[in-house]
Amino acid sequence: EPEVTQTPSHQVTQMGQEVILRCVPISNHLYFYWYRQILGQKVEFLVSFYNNEISEKSEIFDDQFSVERPDGSNFTLKIRSTKLEDSAMYFCASNLGNEQFFGPGTRLTVL
Amino acid sequence: GENVEQHPSTLSVQEGDSAVIKCTYSDSASNYFPWYKQELGKRPQLIIDIRSNVGEKKDQRIAVTLNKTAKHFSLHITETQPEDSAVYFCAATGGAGSYQLTFGKGTKLSVIP
Repeated sequence: EPEVTQTPSHQVTQMGQEVILRCVPISNHLYFYWYRQILGQKVEFLVSFYNNEISEKSEIFDDQFSVERPDGSNFTLKIRSTKLEDSAMYFCASNLGNEQFFGPGTRLTVL
Repeated sequence: GENVEQHPSTLSVQEGDSAVIKCTYSDSASNYFPWYKQELGKRPQLIIDIRSNVGEKKDQRIAVTLNKTAKHFSLHITETQPEDSAVYFCAATGGAGSYQLTFGKGTKLSVIP
């Protein structure tokens, strides 16, 4: 069964550094998402992407964040200048209809 | 925007008993309500979902009910097993053509053997 994949599984970075989190959505899916989950808390929506542009974003998704689909398979989340509070698990998801399929997540630790 | 409240935050049941988790939502335009199970350190996995044109849906030991008028929906797990122990999240989406999921805060279910 096809799955969403994400790399890396764990990323450690220094505050102020840029990070890029990578995702490969399921191949025939059209909608792509990033969510984050701070340890012990609920999953929070960041951004959705359709037809090569952002379709929705939350207030969390400020100017420090950007997304890109650089080719036909990858979907990336860039954080320009990481803060301590960006430490969280970041999940990519994709869907064709209503059901969203989540990737395994990237645990981002900002020191 | 949508707001989803979930109760209880923790739930302990004896193996074989039933577990019920309840959620309310605020946006009457929301039309899709999935439930996700998340084991420690793992991705959320969809276990059941319901659309707003349906009042109840069942899949083996799991059922979901939806009351659109009251804007609440519930997850029912019968004959619980230790492997049901996990955090369960409800979510809502679909208001105003939106696909973003708004999650509840989660319920940590512990099934005691």
